[in-house]
Amino acid sequence: DAKTTQPPSMDCAEGRAANLPCNHSTISGNEYVYWYRQIHSQGPQYIIHGLKNNETNEMASLIITEDRKSSTLILPHATLRDTAVYYCIVSSYSGGGADGLTFGKGTHLIIQP
Amino acid sequence: AAGVIQSPRHLIKEKRETATLKCYPIPRHDTVYWYQQGPGQDPQFLISFYEKMQSDKGSIPDRFSAQQFSDYHSELNMSSLELGDSALYFCASSLGRGGWNTIYFGEGSWLTVV
Repeated sequence: DAKTTQPPSMDCAEGRAANLPCNHSTISGNEYVYWYRQIHSQGPQYIIHGLKNNETNEMASLIITEDRKSSTLILPHATLRDTAVYYCIVSSYSGGGADGLTFGKGTHLIIQP
Repeated sequence: AAGVIQSPRHLIKEKRETATLKCYPIPRHDTVYWYQQGPGQDPQFLISFYEKMQSDKGSIPDRFSAQQFSDYHSELNMSSLELGDSALYFCASSLGRGGWNTIYFGEGSWLTVV
């Protein structure tokens, strides 16, 4: 699976949009971009994923660049409960196994009141 | 909606003992994954099962074994426990395998080895 690079930490004011970048310059054509978050010692929570088109759900939006080498997770109106470590993960379908997700270092997003 | 259920939530064992963690996937999910997260660390993939067969293997120690049963629940067996095995163990499940299938995590089982 391709590696990802994320800033170790970010701050965002409550009520503002939080934009979390992720670089995945070695991504291959069959690899999806997943975002998960982990609130202190809880199970990682699925947020959103995409292949090449931008995606939106009730939690967030995912913007993937045209060359697919980077993406941005957008939390439109951040709240204090959004404080968490956010993981950008690239995952492929190998066809030969149930690939687990490879977690990198993630971004610790701190929402400031 | 039903989520991934893990038991026990907390477990304390002594060195060299054996521990078993159980995982009940989301109904109809046929793929189960196990992860280990040490203190201050990111989750590390251990092993996965698809349709009751081992599918992928990560950094699982030889002292650990796991299996998926006919009802799709899974158990992680850890023997000759070491202090370094103290961690949060997550189980996750998905419907099918592959990059387009969303993986959902349980709340984890805390293992403390003393």
